[in-house]
Amino acid sequence: GEDVEQSLFLSVREGDSSVINCTYTDSSSTYLYWYKQEPGAGLQLLTYIFSNMDMKQDQRLTVLLNKKDKHLSLRIADTQTGDSAIYFCAHYNFNKFYFGSGTKLNVKP
Amino acid sequence: EAGVTQSPTHLIKTRGQQATLRCSPISGHTSVYWYQQALGLGLQFLLWYDEGEERNRGNFPPRFSGRQFPNYSSELNVNALELEDSALYLCASSLSRGSYEQYFGPGTRLTVT
Repeated sequence: GEDVEQSLFLSVREGDSSVINCTYTDSSSTYLYWYKQEPGAGLQLLTYIFSNMDMKQDQRLTVLLNKKDKHLSLRIADTQTGDSAIYFCAHYNFNKFYFGSGTKLNVKP
Repeated sequence: EAGVTQSPTHLIKTRGQQATLRCSPISGHTSVYWYQQALGLGLQFLLWYDEGEERNRGNFPPRFSGRQFPNYSSELNVNALELEDSALYLCASSLSRGSYEQYFGPGTRLTVT
C-alpha cells in the first residue's frame, strides 16, 4: 500500500494550465494530498481531498480523484512562473503518510 | 502562529560521526514525523512520535533514532554516519495521533563527507 507514482517532469508555458498526475496502489487510503516544495524549502500543503470526493476546487487549483483507477490529479489554472516547484502527491492511511517522488514543474515565461 | 521549526539549517559531518537534528512542532501539535529526502528522491518516512512515544518507524537501520520531549519537540539522532545519509531531513507535525493534516518545517540539510 505504499506505492505512489508520479511522472518526474512537466513543462508548461506561463498562462497555460498544468496537470500533474499521480497513481497509488492503496485503495483504503482516506485522504490524498498535494504538496509543493520550492528549492531549498520544506513542503507546503496545497490542498487535500477526502476519498469519498471526486473533485475539489480551491481558487486556481482543482483536484480530481478517480478512486476506481486510483488516480489523482492536480490542475493549476493560469500557471505562473511562481508555480515552478516540485509537487508531491501523498496519501494517508492508518496513521502513516506515503509520498510520491515528486513532479518537477517548470513554467516557461 | 509560528510554524514548524528545525535546527540547524545545515550540518556538515564526517563519516562515522553522530548527527543530532532538532524539531519544534506547531504549538498545540503533539505528533512529530521525520522524513529523509535524498537528492532527487521522494520522501522516505523515518519515524513518528506522538505524546512522547515512538509510534512507528520506517525501513531504516537502528542507527537512526530519536525521541520526543515533554514539550513535544523532537530530536533525530543518526549514529555512525555514512556518505549515503547525506540528505534533507524534514520534520512535520500534526495536531494529534490520527490527524490527517501535517505541516512541514524547512528541513535540515545534512552533508556527510
